[in-house]
Amino acid sequence: GAVVSQHPSRVICKSGTSVKIECRSLDFQATTMFWYRQFPKKSLMLMATSNEGSKATYEQGVEKDKFLINHASLTLSTLTVTSAHPEDSSFYICSARDSAGGTSGIYEQYFGPGTRLTVT
Amino acid sequence: KNQVEQSPQSLIILEGKNCTLQCNYTVSPFSNLRWYKQDTGRGPVSLTIMTFSENTKSNGRYTATLDADTKQSSLHITASQLSDSASYICVVSPSNSGYALNFGKGTSLLVTP
Repeated sequence: GAVVSQHPSRVICKSGTSVKIECRSLDFQATTMFWYRQFPKKSLMLMATSNEGSKATYEQGVEKDKFLINHASLTLSTLTVTSAHPEDSSFYICSARDSAGGTSGIYEQYFGPGTRLTVT
Repeated sequence: KNQVEQSPQSLIILEGKNCTLQCNYTVSPFSNLRWYKQDTGRGPVSLTIMTFSENTKSNGRYTATLDADTKQSSLHITASQLSDSASYICVVSPSNSGYALNFGKGTSLLVTP
């Protein structure tokens, strides 16, 4: 099946610094990508929807100036956590929607392997 | 409010046994229901996707059922293996949402030797 990669897989950064996470669709084009956050033993929480060539749409309660999203190409979206704090420590997962569509008109979303962020 | 409820929250079974996970939802109008498997520290992997008109779909030892009238789905795992230990997440997509997915909290399955 389609593959979505994330880089890095885990990162440790100091409080106050910024960290960038990349999400790539490796063998398909994705006009839309999604960024999720997941706390231990909790469900995925959608943070924002990233559309290629336009501004991201953020979910209620997610600070757009803190979580900067750039979707510069049909295969790459980035999430930058700015001025990171320990409470930003979490598992961040992206998914990519296959622009080509799928069976029965359902667009499959393929998830990346996730990035574990630890802010010290 | 669109909700997806899964049960049980966690489950322990012996290797080789079968098990069934449940998903109830209130999402309306309904487009499709997905089951994902998420290994610890990894992203979710799709197992099945079912639309309104489908009431069963299989993927190897995984069989999902859907009753759109009662808004219930189940995931049956046959002849469980140690590698089946993971979180199984039920995800429902409303037909008027565009891209939105409503996630259940998942069932944590542990298969023991």
